[in-house]
Amino acid sequence: DTGVSQDPRHKITKRGQNVTFRCDPISEHNRLYWYRQTLGQGPEFLTYFQNEAQLEKSRLLSDRFSAERPKGSFSTLEIQRTEQGDSAMYLCASSDTNYGYTFGSGTRLTVV
Amino acid sequence: QKEVEQDPGPLSVPEGAIVSLNCTYSNSAFQYFMWYRQYSRKGPELLMYTYSSGNKEDGRFTAQVDKSSKYISLFIRDSQPSDSATYLCAMNNAGNMLTFGGGTRLMVKP
Repeated sequence: DTGVSQDPRHKITKRGQNVTFRCDPISEHNRLYWYRQTLGQGPEFLTYFQNEAQLEKSRLLSDRFSAERPKGSFSTLEIQRTEQGDSAMYLCASSDTNYGYTFGSGTRLTVV
Repeated sequence: QKEVEQDPGPLSVPEGAIVSLNCTYSNSAFQYFMWYRQYSRKGPELLMYTYSSGNKEDGRFTAQVDKSSKYISLFIRDSQPSDSATYLCAMNNAGNMLTFGGGTRLMVKP
């Protein structure tokens, strides 16, 4: 297993378009997290899955954002009607302990 | 006020120096304390974690947690140019989502 994979690495989209990101966690990990990071800031929590159940969502996750984790494996994060303020690095992490969070390399979204 | 505060730096030190990185926090429920290293355009990489108060050492790195003061530190001994990165503190309450500081950018000059 090569760690947490995220695809694509970089996405440029026009304002108003929809985008979808994919995360493949470490296979043994039942917990999966999405974070957003803007330049010069620490990652901010977006949402959390335990297996296929979405257990927690941040207030940052507006109704334009939706995340799924079908069958408790990979996860997708979709942003509808993108805005320039959505430009950020979207990070996925997985874990099977209270401290061992492994992050992917992220998807960098640029909304023009 | 943010739950976790971290001086953004940048912190510039000569090679071989001892580096001290710090975070303060306000949520007394935090139990696990972690330090991540993040290189430019990469995801954060876990360096060390500590449960509750105390010290933990791993090679050139030492993590300290003082829950009474709500203050955590990471010390890097014999710093190397390859240590140049952004260091993020993070903490949580037993498996819930991590709360990060804003990160401190460290530059180690040869």
